[in-house]
Amino acid sequence: KAGVTQTPRYLIKTRGQQVTLSCSPISGHRSVSWYQQTPGQGLQFLFEYFSETQRNKGNFPGRFSGRQFSNSRSEMNVSTLELGDSALYLCASNRGQVGDRASKNIQYFGAGTRLSVL
Amino acid sequence: EDKVVQSPLSLVVHEGDTVTLNCSYEVTNFRSLLWYKQEKKAPTFLFMLTSSGIEKKSGRLSSILDKKELFSILNITATQTGDSAVYLCAVATLRDNYGQNFVFGPGTRLSVLP
Repeated sequence: KAGVTQTPRYLIKTRGQQVTLSCSPISGHRSVSWYQQTPGQGLQFLFEYFSETQRNKGNFPGRFSGRQFSNSRSEMNVSTLELGDSALYLCASNRGQVGDRASKNIQYFGAGTRLSVL
Repeated sequence: EDKVVQSPLSLVVHEGDTVTLNCSYEVTNFRSLLWYKQEKKAPTFLFMLTSSGIEKKSGRLSSILDKKELFSILNITATQTGDSAVYLCAVATLRDNYGQNFVFGPGTRLSVLP
């Protein structure tokens, strides 16, 4: 079974630009979560999508948005980039089914997209 | 607000040493506690713990959960340089009909010297 796939692996942008990151979850997983990881802040939760709906949201500004498609693939968009947006963006997927046993809802991560904002 | 704390934040040991990493949490609607190892990019899953007192073991790694005292430990015996990584602790909480939420700790950076 293929793992979580994120593209691109690396991105260099300048301030004010926008960027779109993509995540393909493990087959059968309907929940996709996005995280920002920086040396100072650790893993910060951005949002979670399930069945094309945002189900959960962290404390990030509206410049960070996402969406999920019917095949469970997800995209994350950051508009008006700032220097502080430089980070590793990780996507994670799990089955996401309410009522599943905990053992069926392990979150698996992709390799991430390293975004550098100059 | 849900919170996960890990200690120490950084640890340097020599090959062959045994290490214990700590994770404590304060959350509502606890569901499970997970340990991940992050070497360069993707955190890789190590263990999931849901019940107190039951040790999970995989090779030289083991972990246990104490739901009364709200903590977990990850033990690594006979450490090797390949164990050098950041070890992340995460707690999954139930959110009514909205599935799970995962709260991560800051991680423990383990460096194993030859």
